[in-house]
Amino acid sequence: GQNIDQPTEMTATEGAIVQINCTYQTSGFNGLFWYQQHAGEAPTFLSYNVLDGLEEKGRFSSFLSRSKGYSYLLLKELQMKDSASYLCALGSSYKLIFGSGTRLLVRP
Amino acid sequence: DAGVTQSPTHLIKTRGQQVTLRCSPISGHKSVSWYQQVLGQGPQFIFQYYEKEERGRGNFPDRFSARQFPNYSSELNVNALLLGDSALYLCASSWTSGAHTGELFFGEGSRLTVL
Repeated sequence: GQNIDQPTEMTATEGAIVQINCTYQTSGFNGLFWYQQHAGEAPTFLSYNVLDGLEEKGRFSSFLSRSKGYSYLLLKELQMKDSASYLCALGSSYKLIFGSGTRLLVRP
Repeated sequence: DAGVTQSPTHLIKTRGQQVTLRCSPISGHKSVSWYQQVLGQGPQFIFQYYEKEERGRGNFPDRFSARQFPNYSSELNVNALLLGDSALYLCASSWTSGAHTGELFFGEGSRLTVL
């Protein structure tokens, strides 16, 4: 299988930095995706890592280490609108395999 | 430009009934995928279609079926509904057939409640 583990919930303060971790047990994937999903809405793409290392997109960065089976999403300068679920997903040839997601609550 | 559109947005069915969900991909996208999202879980892959052919199927029973039309829109059918089929059904489209080659664009979903 391709077990994907993420913390269920996290809380952070507006303006702070938060790191959401994702671990997995497989080597058979092409890339690792992060999606954001607000309650009752569709998931929206945030970032994508194919190679090991850090990918930066504005306030969001994502890191991948294939040898360690580990990824994280880093959110900087947190805003209230960042309160959402964050989904880690492994991309294979025709599908994404999602973790259960991490619910992030940003407090004033 | 219109994003991925799904219909209906909400529906209620009873056990044993059948349901058809519809999806229109972003213009120019040839691939449509279906995912089931149960409350509190991540989306789970059901089907992928590319150029009107099924390219992948997830671990779902034969009660679930889908098809893609010449205009690349798609339908997901679920027969003999069970209570456990209650979920948000998400449709996603992309340019290519490979999920690893680019992002998927998701629709807002069809929320199915089975009573």
